[in-house]
Amino acid sequence: NAGVTQTPKFQVLKTGQSMTLQCAQDMNHNSMYWYRQDPGMGLRLIYYSASEGTTDKGEVPNGYNVSRLNKREFSLRLESAAPSQTSVYFCASSFATGNTEAFFGQGTRLTVV
Amino acid sequence: QQQVKQSPQSLIVQKGGISIINCAYENTAFDYFPWYQQFPGKGPALLIAIRPDVSEKKEGRFTISFNKSAKQFSLHIMDSQPGDSATYFCAANPNRDDKIIFGKGTRLHILP
Repeated sequence: NAGVTQTPKFQVLKTGQSMTLQCAQDMNHNSMYWYRQDPGMGLRLIYYSASEGTTDKGEVPNGYNVSRLNKREFSLRLESAAPSQTSVYFCASSFATGNTEAFFGQGTRLTVV
Repeated sequence: QQQVKQSPQSLIVQKGGISIINCAYENTAFDYFPWYQQFPGKGPALLIAIRPDVSEKKEGRFTISFNKSAKQFSLHIMDSQPGDSATYFCAANPNRDDKIIFGKGTRLHILP
């Protein structure tokens, strides 16, 4: 019972490099999310996908792009990484966007130097 | 901007004591109030949730108290244990078709 799986778990990037964070869920959930977590800032929503084929901006979308590849997979891309994007990134999924439990992955710790 | 304001930012409680974390919200349309628990190196996980048609919900040592008129809700952890040491997030949903909004978190440390 894998739940929400994120890869990689750790990554170090140089400023200006690009990378894609992968997320997959096996719970047949419709909605998926990407959050970043920084000390004292809580969980901030970057992008979300209410259903397959749709994506919407969250609170802090600048510098990121997403792709809802299919119902299971939701990827987050950093086109040109900046030190301000150093953070822990969490992918989550839920059956529906609202009023339902969200299940989180283990997180990706990203450092941009 | 819809907000959920959480306090305190950090909390230290003796083993066996009561831990209390508070949250306040602004939008009266919120109708689902979950609490998430996060251990170091892990993702958050749902701990307990309440809907505004009840004033209290209890699950084991964890209780949510909800005050609709004051637009406040709180998490009480009775007989706090060192294993409860974690970061706790309150959250709220504006409506069935919208995303969850999280508070900034409370880092709880239970002294052995």
